[in-house]
Amino acid sequence: AQSVTQLGSHVSVSEGALVLLRCNYSSSVPPYLFWYVQYPNQGLQLLLKYTSAATLVKGINGFEAEFKKSETSFHLTKPSAHMSDAAEYFCAVSVRDDKIIFGKGTRLHILP
Amino acid sequence: DTGVSQDPRHKITKRGQNVTFRCDPISEHNRLYWYRQTLGQGPEFLTYFQNEAQLEKSRLLSDRFSAERPKGSFSTLEIQRTEQGDSAMYLCASERQTTGELFFGEGSRLTVL
Repeated sequence: AQSVTQLGSHVSVSEGALVLLRCNYSSSVPPYLFWYVQYPNQGLQLLLKYTSAATLVKGINGFEAEFKKSETSFHLTKPSAHMSDAAEYFCAVSVRDDKIIFGKGTRLHILP
Repeated sequence: DTGVSQDPRHKITKRGQNVTFRCDPISEHNRLYWYRQTLGQGPEFLTYFQNEAQLEKSRLLSDRFSAERPKGSFSTLEIQRTEQGDSAMYLCASERQTTGELFFGEGSRLTVL
């Protein structure tokens, strides 16, 4: 069965610094991979997704993620953190039109 | 998209009572999911539907939980004989199948006393 592991339940970065949130997946077949964001007191919304086209995927708000099959990873990055990026980020996976499974999440803290 | 709506937004109940949550998905979305989320955790898969057919229910889910989507539109999630451990946010999402994107409702928060 497919699954995702997010390394680090909390990540703190300074405003203007690089954001790197880690996600590794497990799947026996090519996966679809997603990053969702949940701002305080709001519902989850899609940041970006990988569906077997380009391995570097660009999303909203300056985020991007790279699919690396050899490392079974789909890490999320943003070159320069902004205070408004403070939120919880979830990696998710599905295969062959199957259900979508989420990781435990990483809370991103932005330090002024 | 008019959005996914869930009702009620908050429910406080006593242990042993039954509760039911309703989800109205985006009308053109055929697939509907239920997830449960507790503080500091990711959405935990409960079950999902393709139109009125229930495709899968989590094997970890107690038999006290049941979900329906009788006409392939709205869905209900019922929890019988609630326990304190059922306290959580119950999330509904519908899927735009052309893109695989999930659209989430704001959730129904359950507190079991």
